[in-house]
Amino acid sequence: GAVVSQHPSRVICKSGTSVKIECRSLDFQATTMFWYRQFPKKSLMLMATSNEGSKATYEQGVEKDKFLINHASLTLSTLTVTSAHPEDSSFYICSARVQTGSNQPQHFGDGTRLSIL
Amino acid sequence: AQTVTQSQPEMSVQEAETVTLSCTYDTSESDYYLFWYKQPPSRQMILVIRQEAYKQQNATENRFSVNFQKAAKSFSLKISDSQLGDAAMYFCAYRSDNYGQNFVFGPGTRLSVLP
Repeated sequence: GAVVSQHPSRVICKSGTSVKIECRSLDFQATTMFWYRQFPKKSLMLMATSNEGSKATYEQGVEKDKFLINHASLTLSTLTVTSAHPEDSSFYICSARVQTGSNQPQHFGDGTRLSIL
Repeated sequence: AQTVTQSQPEMSVQEAETVTLSCTYDTSESDYYLFWYKQPPSRQMILVIRQEAYKQQNATENRFSVNFQKAAKSFSLKISDSQLGDAAMYFCAYRSDNYGQNFVFGPGTRLSVLP
């Protein structure tokens, strides 16, 4: 089955550091990738949708300059949390879709637990 | 490694009827959490219900309830009095209780509600 690898699985770093999270589709080409953020005991909030070769589409309320998303190839999307602060501590998870179309299956990575000290 | 299986890619239910979505998982751990998420076309992932493995009592949230069978590693979701707004993708997910362990999602079940 389709596998999505997310790296790193855990990050602990100091306030002010920029952190990059990678999302890779290992055995398929992902035209679209999604980035989610989870708050404790709550839903996963969609942050942005990235399409290969074009700019990411951010959801309302998500700061584009804070959360930089790059989808440079059909197998890799990255999320960079710039100048991270404690309030950015959260669980971030990506998912990938093989083809365009809302009915296409979505495959999730394992997620990244980010802790900012 | 843990795995989560949802054997029904698609399901349909008549409005006001009851439907059950199945989920099975594989783990060697004894402490963990199980979740059902609903994903509407907006692609947001809405938490529907959450179950702690140490609790024997099945979780319930209004029209949503689960049948948690720990020994069988089964975690099905029952939706009663189905409404048109329940139509969505439903994902079953597992999370270990161990620090640093993250989520494992099933492939999802697309639920259609027929008027």
